Amino acid sequence: EAQVTQNPRYLITVTGKKLTVTCSQNMNHEYMSWYRQDPGLGLRQIYYSMNVEVTDKGDVPEGYKVSRKEKRNFPLILESPSPNQTSLYFCASSLSAGYSNTGELFFGEGSRLTVL
Amino acid sequence: AQSVTQLDSQVPVFEEAPVELRCNYSSSVSVYLFWYVQYPNQGLQLLLKYLSGSTLVKGINGFEAEFNKSQTSFHLRKPSVHISDTAEYFCAVTANDDKIIFGKGTRLHILP
Repeated sequence: EAQVTQNPRYLITVTGKKLTVTCSQNMNHEYMSWYRQDPGLGLRQIYYSMNVEVTDKGDVPEGYKVSRKEKRNFPLILESPSPNQTSLYFCASSLSAGYSNTGELFFGEGSRLTVL
Repeated sequence: AQSVTQLDSQVPVFEEAPVELRCNYSSSVSVYLFWYVQYPNQGLQLLLKYLSGSTLVKGINGFEAEFNKSQTSFHLRKPSVHISDTAEYFCAVTANDDKIIFGKGTRLHILP
């Protein structure tokens, strides 16, 4: 089954304790992206990756890191989490990005993070 | 750069009544337009998309949307809603700059 898998789905942590949210897709997609969803603010892009070893900042990258060493994986790293990073996080992938593609994104089920 | 505006943050509708969720976009180039749906405690999934051709696009679960270039709109409609349509709906746009821009979402509340 084609899917985007995120782990963990739920996490409660404390300020400053490094954590990683994993994301894996099995569709051989080139493009992957991380979003955070907050009430009243919709979806905001954190980082995205056009392909392996190519990553770029989205609209709200502060406090986050990513890496894309393999095509299927795109982990989101919070080196020193703070309470303002409490949010619902979504990983998404697409065959490619841009006008040559339909632009359809496939989303994971989300990871709800609480930072105390 | 593109932008998307969803004019209503919440829309309450009685069951079996029609609904329209409004979306306006701005762009200086041709665009692709999408509606995504997020059911409670789930990720987003594609409802329908406009790429080219017919301006009336039909999607899953009886939804449809009409692309209106002159009004730069892509409103989502359903003639008769069901309680299972309770969800948040996101309009999105992409062009030739590799970014997909989402609106802030519209929560659809179905009243019994």
